[in-house]
Amino acid sequence: KAGVTQTPRYLIKTRGQQVTLSCSPISGHRSVSWYQQTPGQGLQFLFEYFSETQRNKGNFPGRFSGRQFSNSRSEMNVSTLELGDSALYLCASSLDPGLAYTQYFGPGTRLTVL
Amino acid sequence: QQQVKQSPQSLIVQKGGISIINCAYENTAFDYFPWYQQFPGKGPALLIAIRPDVSEKKEGRFTISFNKSAKQFSLHIMDSQPGDSATYFCAASKRTGGSYIPTFGRGTSLIVHP
Repeated sequence: KAGVTQTPRYLIKTRGQQVTLSCSPISGHRSVSWYQQTPGQGLQFLFEYFSETQRNKGNFPGRFSGRQFSNSRSEMNVSTLELGDSALYLCASSLDPGLAYTQYFGPGTRLTVL
Repeated sequence: QQQVKQSPQSLIVQKGGISIINCAYENTAFDYFPWYQQFPGKGPALLIAIRPDVSEKKEGRFTISFNKSAKQFSLHIMDSQPGDSATYFCAASKRTGGSYIPTFGRGTSLIVHP
């Protein structure tokens, strides 16, 4: 079974631009969560989608948004990029997030904001 | 406010030794405590997890010890191997909106010398 895939793997943008990252969960998984990983703040929860609905949201500004499609694939968007948005963005999928903790992470998208 | 404190930040161990990583949490609403292992260029992978009604859980060379009253838990890696060299994250999760949302520690970089 294929794992979680994220595209693109690397991205370079300039301040003020916007970016869209994509995540394809493991087949059959209906929940997708997004995390930001930085050396300074560590791993931080961004938001979680289940059956196309955002169920939980972390403490990030409104510039960070996401959505989930009917096939469970998810995208996250960051508008008006800031230097501090440079990070590894990780997507994780799970079959049923309400049961045992079985999140599977993708390899991440490395975003660099210049 | 850092809700999950992890120490040490880095750890160097000789092959065959015991690696010990500690975490402490503040919020008593947390009820699931997973540990993740992350290799460079990869996303975190679930290593082992424990619930607060259990004081210890062992899977192979990996053991979690949990002290509910002290709000502390630790990961022990017995007979550490060079292949264990990675970054380890503890997390504390609580059920929110039907899903378990994790709060991560800052991570411990483990190096096992051959």
